[in-house]
Amino acid sequence: DAGVIQSPRHEVTEMGQEVTLRCKPISGHNSLFWYRQTMMRGLELLIYFNNNVPIDDSGMPEDRFSAKMPNASFSTLKIQPSEPRDSAVYFCASSLLAGAAGELFFGEGSRLTVL
Amino acid sequence: GQNIDQPTEMTATEGAIVQINCTYQTSGFNGLFWYQQHAGEAPTFLSYNVLDGLEEKGRFSSFLSRSKGYSYLLLKELQMKDSASYLCAVNNDMRFGAGTRLTVKP
Repeated sequence: DAGVIQSPRHEVTEMGQEVTLRCKPISGHNSLFWYRQTMMRGLELLIYFNNNVPIDDSGMPEDRFSAKMPNASFSTLKIQPSEPRDSAVYFCASSLLAGAAGELFFGEGSRLTVL
Repeated sequence: GQNIDQPTEMTATEGAIVQINCTYQTSGFNGLFWYQQHAGEAPTFLSYNVLDGLEEKGRFSSFLSRSKGYSYLLLKELQMKDSASYLCAVNNDMRFGAGTRLTVKP
């Protein structure tokens, strides 16, 4: 079975540009999580969805960040406009159990560099 | 909310045993997870504790004390490939601690 699939794997963009990161969770998984990882701040939870519904977006840094999950097999994380401080590795993860603790399966991450 | 504390870095010798601690403060508790993350890779699941006590899985064991808000990950017979960051997470909203970077030396 395919794991969590993220795209793009790497993106370099200029400050002010819009960035869209994509995630396809494991089929049948009911929870989806977006994380951001930097050396300074570690692995931060940005938002998570249960059954396509956003449950907790308190980790989203500011209004420049938005996330959607239009269906069970696809999610996007958008940054508009991007800033250099957004440079990080963004991970998507999915879990079989909705609303409860379950093993997270991570994608390989999207490494974003904003110049 | 919740607060999770782990040591930032640890060093150990190949073949030895190392214990990585995690203390937490949370309103409500539904379980504690340990994940391993090698440099440049995604985290991978190691263990899950919901009841007090020790869970053993091969060379790795995880312990939980809910009354003390404390867990540890025990790694035995250390190998070079165990050099990685070890992340602790509590509850069902999956927020992680800062992680402990373990370096295993020959």
